Amino acid sequence: QKEVEQNSGPLSVPEGAIASLNCTYSDRGSQSFFWYRQYSGKSPELIMFIYSNGDKEDGRFTAQLNKASQYVSLLIRDSQPSDSATYLCAVGPPGNFNKFYFGSGTKLNVKP
Amino acid sequence: ETGVTQSPTHLIKTRGQQVTLRCSSQSGHNTVSWYQQALGQGPQFIFQYYREEENGRGNFPPRFSGLQFPNYSSELNVNALELDDSALYLCASSDRGSGELFFGEGSRLTVL
Repeated sequence: QKEVEQNSGPLSVPEGAIASLNCTYSDRGSQSFFWYRQYSGKSPELIMFIYSNGDKEDGRFTAQLNKASQYVSLLIRDSQPSDSATYLCAVGPPGNFNKFYFGSGTKLNVKP
Repeated sequence: ETGVTQSPTHLIKTRGQQVTLRCSSQSGHNTVSWYQQALGQGPQFIFQYYREEENGRGNFPPRFSGLQFPNYSSELNVNALELDDSALYLCASSDRGSGELFFGEGSRLTVL
């Protein structure tokens, strides 16, 4: 079993719609959760992070965390073609920030 | 404020050779992590350096080694290259304790 699982996609949504990206993790003690965006041929860039159960909003992005279900998601409102990229979920193990497990990423296509 | 820079951006080696990849961390960051990203996969943690010492290691063999220098820049060395070492090698700097990784553009290694 992989530490972090994501649906590889592609997930296709029309411009202006809400894109919902999901991630599950295996270590129940995980404490930090990050979403990165990676454009083709580029390096990952941090979108946002969440540490506590519930929702965290930053502009058009909302991260949702449910530790009981070991589930974290990213919602992108008013999706734009420029949001088309691969979205990586990263999970930090308990007690330290020195090693993150990344999922394989979900490819998002936003159609004009 | 300068970002994370990596060199070289692309390189081709043959099986059995050795390679050194270099990384300059973002200004103000004291921690450098190295990740390997195979095509279509998420980044995999190789190791992290803090104050010139290894501060955590992933599931990589000893032929993967590294250094951190007093100015927080870092090197990744890979000996006895194998075909499966072909990947994008990402350096990420961070402020220890924050968990937020800032990636360089990566070094794409091809082993023939």
